Amino acid sequence: GENVEQHPSTLSVQEGDSAVIKCTYSDSASNYFPWYKQELGKRPQLIIDIRSNVGEKKDQRIAVTLNKTAKHFSLHITETQPEDSAVYFCAAEENSGYALNFGKGTSLLVTP
Amino acid sequence: DVKVTQSSRYLVKRTGEKVFLECVQDMDHENMFWYRQDPGLGLRLIYFSYDVKMKEKGDIPEGYSVSREKKERFSLILESASTNQTSMYLCASSFGGRAFFGQGTRLTVV
Repeated sequence: GENVEQHPSTLSVQEGDSAVIKCTYSDSASNYFPWYKQELGKRPQLIIDIRSNVGEKKDQRIAVTLNKTAKHFSLHITETQPEDSAVYFCAAEENSGYALNFGKGTSLLVTP
Repeated sequence: DVKVTQSSRYLVKRTGEKVFLECVQDMDHENMFWYRQDPGLGLRLIYFSYDVKMKEKGDIPEGYSVSREKKERFSLILESASTNQTSMYLCASSFGGRAFFGQGTRLTVV
Protein backbone atom coordinates (compact mmCIF):
# COMPACT_ATOMS: atom_id res chain seq x y z
CA GLY A 1 0.00 0.00 0.00
CA GLU A 2 0.84 3.69 0.24
CA ASN A 3 4.07 4.41 2.11
CA VAL A 4 3.91 7.37 4.51
CA GLU A 5 7.10 8.55 6.21
CA GLN A 6 6.86 10.88 9.21
CA HIS A 7 9.59 12.95 10.92
CA PRO A 8 10.68 13.53 13.57
CA SER A 9 9.67 10.60 15.77
CA THR A 10 10.04 12.76 18.91
CA LEU A 11 9.92 16.52 19.31
CA SER A 12 10.39 18.59 22.44
CA VAL A 13 9.60 22.32 22.46
CA GLN A 14 9.15 25.01 25.06
CA GLU A 15 5.72 26.45 25.68
CA GLY A 16 5.04 29.25 23.24
CA ASP A 17 7.40 27.96 20.56
CA SER A 18 6.27 26.51 17.22
CA ALA A 19 6.34 22.83 16.30
CA VAL A 20 6.57 21.39 12.79
CA ILE A 21 6.01 17.76 11.80
CA LYS A 22 6.69 16.60 8.25
CA CYS A 23 5.37 13.69 6.21
CA THR A 24 6.08 12.33 2.75
CA TYR A 25 3.95 9.90 0.77
CA SER A 26 4.59 7.65 -2.20
CA ASP A 27 1.32 7.44 -4.15
CA SER A 28 0.91 10.45 -6.41
CA ALA A 29 -2.82 9.60 -6.76
CA SER A 30 -3.47 10.33 -3.05
CA ASN A 31 -5.82 13.28 -2.61
CA TYR A 32 -6.65 13.45 1.07
CA PHE A 33 -4.28 14.04 3.99
CA PRO A 34 -5.55 14.14 7.59
CA TRP A 35 -3.72 14.66 10.86
CA TYR A 36 -4.67 12.91 14.09
CA LYS A 37 -3.79 13.69 17.70
CA GLN A 38 -3.66 10.88 20.24
CA GLU A 39 -3.40 11.77 23.90
CA LEU A 40 -2.13 9.16 26.32
CA GLY A 41 -4.67 6.38 26.77
CA LYS A 42 -7.15 7.90 24.34
CA ARG A 43 -8.29 7.27 20.80
CA PRO A 44 -6.78 9.16 17.83
CA GLN A 45 -8.84 12.24 16.99
CA LEU A 46 -8.90 14.17 13.74
CA ILE A 47 -7.53 17.69 14.22
CA ILE A 48 -7.16 18.99 10.68
CA ASP A 49 -7.19 17.68 7.13
CA ILE A 50 -6.39 18.92 3.64
CA ARG A 51 -7.40 17.83 0.16
CA SER A 52 -5.17 18.08 -2.86
CA ASN A 53 -6.98 21.03 -4.42
CA VAL A 54 -5.58 23.42 -1.78
CA GLY A 55 -2.05 24.14 -0.64
CA GLU A 56 -2.68 25.32 2.91
CA LYS A 57 -5.37 25.19 5.57
CA LYS A 58 -5.51 26.87 8.98
CA ASP A 59 -7.55 26.35 12.10
CA GLN A 60 -6.59 28.69 14.93
CA ARG A 61 -3.09 27.62 16.08
CA ILE A 62 -2.71 24.69 13.72
CA ALA A 63 -2.07 24.69 9.98
CA VAL A 64 -1.30 22.12 7.35
CA THR A 65 0.60 22.70 4.12
CA LEU A 66 0.69 20.41 1.11
CA ASN A 67 3.17 20.21 -1.75
CA LYS A 68 1.75 17.71 -4.25
CA THR A 69 4.68 18.01 -6.62
CA ALA A 70 7.15 17.03 -3.92
CA LYS A 71 4.64 14.65 -2.28
CA HIS A 72 5.02 16.06 1.19
CA PHE A 73 2.79 17.75 3.74
CA SER A 74 3.43 19.31 7.12
CA LEU A 75 1.65 20.16 10.35
CA HIS A 76 2.47 23.48 12.01
CA ILE A 77 1.47 24.26 15.58
CA THR A 78 2.10 27.82 16.77
CA GLU A 79 2.17 29.14 20.35
CA THR A 80 2.37 25.62 21.72
CA GLN A 81 0.78 24.83 25.08
CA PRO A 82 1.35 21.87 27.46
CA GLU A 83 -2.02 20.41 26.40
CA ASP A 84 -0.60 20.05 22.87
CA SER A 85 1.61 17.26 24.23
CA ALA A 86 0.49 14.06 22.47
CA VAL A 87 1.37 11.71 19.64
CA TYR A 88 0.51 13.12 16.21
CA PHE A 89 -0.10 10.93 13.17
CA CYS A 90 -0.21 11.99 9.56
CA ALA A 91 -2.04 9.89 6.99
CA ALA A 92 -2.65 9.67 3.27
CA GLU A 93 -5.68 8.17 1.60
CA GLU A 94 -4.97 5.10 -0.50
CA ASN A 95 -5.51 5.08 -4.22
CA SER A 96 -8.60 2.91 -3.63
CA GLY A 97 -10.19 5.91 -1.92
CA TYR A 98 -11.19 3.92 1.13
CA ALA A 99 -8.38 3.36 3.58
CA LEU A 100 -5.86 5.63 5.24
CA ASN A 101 -2.20 4.77 5.56
CA PHE A 102 -0.57 6.29 8.61
CA GLY A 103 2.89 7.52 9.45
CA LYS A 104 4.56 6.06 12.52
CA GLY A 105 3.76 9.05 14.68
CA THR A 106 5.54 11.96 16.35
CA SER A 107 5.60 12.23 20.13
CA LEU A 108 5.39 15.95 20.93
CA LEU A 109 6.31 17.20 24.37
CA VAL A 110 5.63 20.82 25.28
CA THR A 111 7.44 21.87 28.44
CA PRO A 112 6.23 24.86 30.52
CA ASP B 1 -21.38 13.25 17.29
CA VAL B 2 -19.94 10.09 15.76
CA LYS B 3 -19.79 7.12 18.06
CA VAL B 4 -17.60 4.13 17.37
CA THR B 5 -17.74 1.62 20.18
CA GLN B 6 -15.55 -1.41 20.72
CA SER B 7 -16.95 -4.19 22.85
CA SER B 8 -14.00 -4.56 25.22
CA ARG B 9 -11.35 -2.20 26.55
CA TYR B 10 -9.07 -4.97 27.79
CA LEU B 11 -8.90 -8.67 26.90
CA VAL B 12 -6.62 -11.48 28.01
CA LYS B 13 -6.71 -14.67 25.95
CA ARG B 14 -4.71 -17.87 25.78
CA THR B 15 -2.57 -18.97 22.85
CA GLY B 16 -4.65 -20.92 20.35
CA GLU B 17 -7.99 -19.44 21.38
CA LYS B 18 -10.38 -18.00 18.82
CA VAL B 19 -10.89 -14.33 19.64
CA PHE B 20 -13.65 -11.97 18.50
CA LEU B 21 -13.29 -8.19 18.66
CA GLU B 22 -16.52 -6.32 18.00
CA CYS B 23 -17.05 -2.80 16.76
CA VAL B 24 -20.27 -0.84 16.27
CA GLN B 25 -20.79 2.60 14.73
CA ASP B 26 -23.94 4.67 14.85
CA MET B 27 -23.42 7.07 11.93
CA ASP B 28 -24.47 4.87 9.00
CA HIS B 29 -20.94 4.99 7.56
CA GLU B 30 -20.21 2.75 4.61
CA ASN B 31 -16.54 2.19 5.42
CA MET B 32 -15.14 0.45 8.48
CA PHE B 33 -11.59 -0.50 9.38
CA TRP B 34 -9.46 -2.47 11.80
CA TYR B 35 -6.02 -1.16 12.67
CA ARG B 36 -3.35 -2.49 14.94
CA GLN B 37 -1.23 -0.04 16.97
CA ASP B 38 2.21 -0.98 18.26
CA PRO B 39 4.87 1.34 19.75
CA GLY B 40 7.13 2.74 17.05
CA LEU B 41 5.09 1.18 14.25
CA GLY B 42 2.13 3.54 14.14
CA LEU B 43 -1.27 2.32 12.96
CA ARG B 44 -1.21 -0.57 10.52
CA LEU B 45 -4.27 -1.58 8.54
CA ILE B 46 -5.43 -5.17 9.01
CA TYR B 47 -8.72 -5.26 7.04
CA PHE B 48 -11.36 -2.87 5.85
CA SER B 49 -14.89 -3.09 4.52
CA TYR B 50 -16.68 -0.66 2.19
CA ASP B 51 -20.08 -2.35 2.28
CA VAL B 52 -22.01 -5.10 4.02
CA LYS B 53 -20.42 -8.50 3.36
CA MET B 54 -17.53 -6.84 1.51
CA LYS B 55 -13.98 -7.00 2.85
CA GLU B 56 -10.51 -6.11 1.65
CA LYS B 57 -7.12 -7.05 3.04
CA GLY B 58 -4.94 -4.31 4.43
CA ASP B 59 -1.20 -4.43 4.98
CA ILE B 60 -1.08 -7.11 7.71
CA PRO B 61 -4.04 -9.50 7.27
CA GLU B 62 -2.20 -12.72 8.15
CA GLY B 63 -3.72 -14.50 11.14
CA TYR B 64 -6.90 -12.37 11.04
CA SER B 65 -10.30 -12.49 9.38
CA VAL B 66 -13.30 -10.15 9.51
CA SER B 67 -17.05 -10.25 9.28
CA ARG B 68 -19.54 -7.56 8.29
CA GLU B 69 -23.05 -8.94 8.34
CA LYS B 70 -24.69 -5.59 9.18
CA LYS B 71 -23.69 -2.08 8.15
CA GLU B 72 -23.11 -0.85 11.68
CA ARG B 73 -21.03 -3.79 12.91
CA PHE B 74 -17.54 -4.94 11.91
CA SER B 75 -15.88 -7.84 13.69
CA LEU B 76 -12.22 -8.82 13.78
CA ILE B 77 -11.48 -12.50 14.32
CA LEU B 78 -8.22 -14.03 15.42
CA GLU B 79 -8.60 -17.64 14.31
CA SER B 80 -5.90 -18.99 16.63
CA ALA B 81 -4.43 -16.31 18.86
CA SER B 82 -0.65 -16.11 19.16
CA THR B 83 1.57 -14.07 21.46
CA ASN B 84 2.72 -11.86 18.58
CA GLN B 85 -0.88 -10.65 18.25
CA THR B 86 -0.65 -8.96 21.64
CA SER B 87 -1.39 -5.35 20.72
CA MET B 88 -3.82 -2.43 20.78
CA TYR B 89 -6.60 -2.88 18.22
CA LEU B 90 -8.44 0.16 16.91
CA CYS B 91 -11.66 0.10 14.92
CA ALA B 92 -12.71 3.06 12.79
CA SER B 93 -15.49 4.13 10.48
CA SER B 94 -15.26 6.84 7.86
CA PHE B 95 -17.22 9.22 5.69
CA GLY B 96 -15.69 11.47 3.07
CA GLY B 97 -12.29 10.14 4.04
CA ARG B 98 -12.58 11.31 7.64
CA ALA B 99 -12.04 8.38 9.98
CA PHE B 100 -13.42 8.19 13.51
CA PHE B 101 -11.89 5.76 15.94
CA GLY B 102 -13.19 3.58 18.73
CA GLN B 103 -11.56 3.66 22.13
CA GLY B 104 -9.37 0.65 21.38
CA THR B 105 -9.08 -2.89 22.72
CA ARG B 106 -5.84 -3.84 24.40
CA LEU B 107 -5.44 -7.56 23.75
CA THR B 108 -2.92 -9.65 25.62
CA VAL B 109 -2.29 -13.22 24.45
CA VAL B 110 -0.59 -15.41 27.05
